[in-house]
Amino acid sequence: NAGVTQTPKFRVLKTGQSMTLLCAQDMNHEYMYWYRQDPGMGLRLIHYSVGEGTTAKGEVPDGYNVSRLKKQNFLLGLESAAPSQTSVYFCASRSGGYSNQPQHFGDGTRLSIL
Amino acid sequence: ILNVEQSPQSLHVQEGDSTNFTCSFPSSNFYALHWYRWETAKSPEALFVMTLNGDEKKKGRISATLNTKEGYSYLYIKGSQPEDSATYLCARMNSGGYQKVTFGTGTKLQVIP
Repeated sequence: NAGVTQTPKFRVLKTGQSMTLLCAQDMNHEYMYWYRQDPGMGLRLIHYSVGEGTTAKGEVPDGYNVSRLKKQNFLLGLESAAPSQTSVYFCASRSGGYSNQPQHFGDGTRLSIL
Repeated sequence: ILNVEQSPQSLHVQEGDSTNFTCSFPSSNFYALHWYRWETAKSPEALFVMTLNGDEKKKGRISATLNTKEGYSYLYIKGSQPEDSATYLCARMNSGGYQKVTFGTGTKLQVIP
């Protein structure tokens, strides 16, 4: 009963390094999302996908790229990490279309950029 | 209201007290409102999905109401317990397009034993 799984759970990077965060869901959900959570800011949408092979920008997309090559996976990439990207990142998924289903969240990835 | 706003930002109540907080949102192009419970060091978990004006939902001691015409929802907790301590998030889903979801910044509840 995995739901939404995020890897890694923690990571420390140096400025300028690159990395990819992986989100995997086993619920056959169409929609997937990447959020960042910063103190006092709530959840802010970085990028989202409405289906395999599609991606779109959210509120705060700069400095991030995403890919959805398989329906179950949504990858978030940082090409050149900056200290401003220190945050907790959450992935979420939900059924597509006009469904009344809420989002299901992963446990988060805590990322520190030095 | 242009964004999803929650009040108060934080709240301390004594064990056994009842409490409530508010989520305000734009009423135009409304499709659904979600309430989530977010415990520290965990991920948000859905409490309620509400769509119709006048909707009332209940789960144990927690209940919620929805007014889509004026753009607000209330979350009520009856007889608060320490395990209710968490941040309560609301998220508005709009109609049309990809059903954009906008989260409020949450109400952090601390129940004092």
